[in-house]
Amino acid sequence: AQSVTQPDIHITVSEGASLELRCNYSYGATPYLFWYVQSPGQGLQLLLKYFSGDTLVQGIKGFEAEFKRSQSSFNLRKPSVHWSDAAEYFCAVGSGGYQKVTFGIGTKLQVIP
Amino acid sequence: KAGVTQTPRYLIKTRGQQVTLSCSPISGHRSVSWYQQTPGQGLQFLFEYFSETQRNKGNFPGRFSGRQFSNSRSEMNVSTLELGDSALYLCASSLGWDSGDYGYTFGSGTRLTVV
Repeated sequence: AQSVTQPDIHITVSEGASLELRCNYSYGATPYLFWYVQSPGQGLQLLLKYFSGDTLVQGIKGFEAEFKRSQSSFNLRKPSVHWSDAAEYFCAVGSGGYQKVTFGIGTKLQVIP
Repeated sequence: KAGVTQTPRYLIKTRGQQVTLSCSPISGHRSVSWYQQTPGQGLQFLFEYFSETQRNKGNFPGRFSGRQFSNSRSEMNVSTLELGDSALYLCASSLGWDSGDYGYTFGSGTRLTVV
C-alpha cells in the first residue's frame, strides 16, 4: 500500500529565510507525487506535481520540489519565504494505475517577521 | 471558470441522523473524489467516482456512501451519524488521470459537526 510520511508537524521560519519541507513516500512502482497547500478554512490548492521527466519540478508561488528515487523523497523548497506562505502543506502520492491519492499528515508552516 | 462547489459549507447534525453532502465539479471534469479531513487523521480517502461509476473506495464503514449523476455532480451520504464523523469533508475534481490530468481541484469543503 502506498503511504506518505511528513516528519515535521510544525515548522517556524523567519520571513525571507529559505524553506525545505520534507516528504518521504512508500510505493512499489513509479509514483505520482504532489504538494498541496491549505489556508485556514479553505480547500487544498495544488502547488506542483511530478510523474515523470525532470526530477526538479517548478510550481506556483515560487515553490519547487525534487524527486529523489534513491531516498524515496520529494522535498518542497522555497528560497525566500513570505508571510503569506503561512499555511499547512500536504505531500501526496498516487499511482497511475488507479486514481487514489494518499496524503501525508501535513506540515504547518508559521512565518515570523 | 467556476471552481468546485460544495454545499452546504457548514452543517450541524445530531448523533443517529443522516446527512447528504453535495459537490459540483468543474465543468467538464468527470472524476470526483471525496476525502474526510480531521486534525488527528489528516486526509482520508473515501471514494472516487468517474462517469457515474465508483472506481475506488477507502477504508470506511458502509455508513458512508456516495453516488455521481450524469452531469458529474456527486453526493455523499453518511447514515447513523457518530460523534467521530465530525470533520471537514472535501471534494476534489479532475478530468481523470486517464486523460493525463494528474492534479485535483478541491472545493472549500463542508464542515460537519455531530453533537
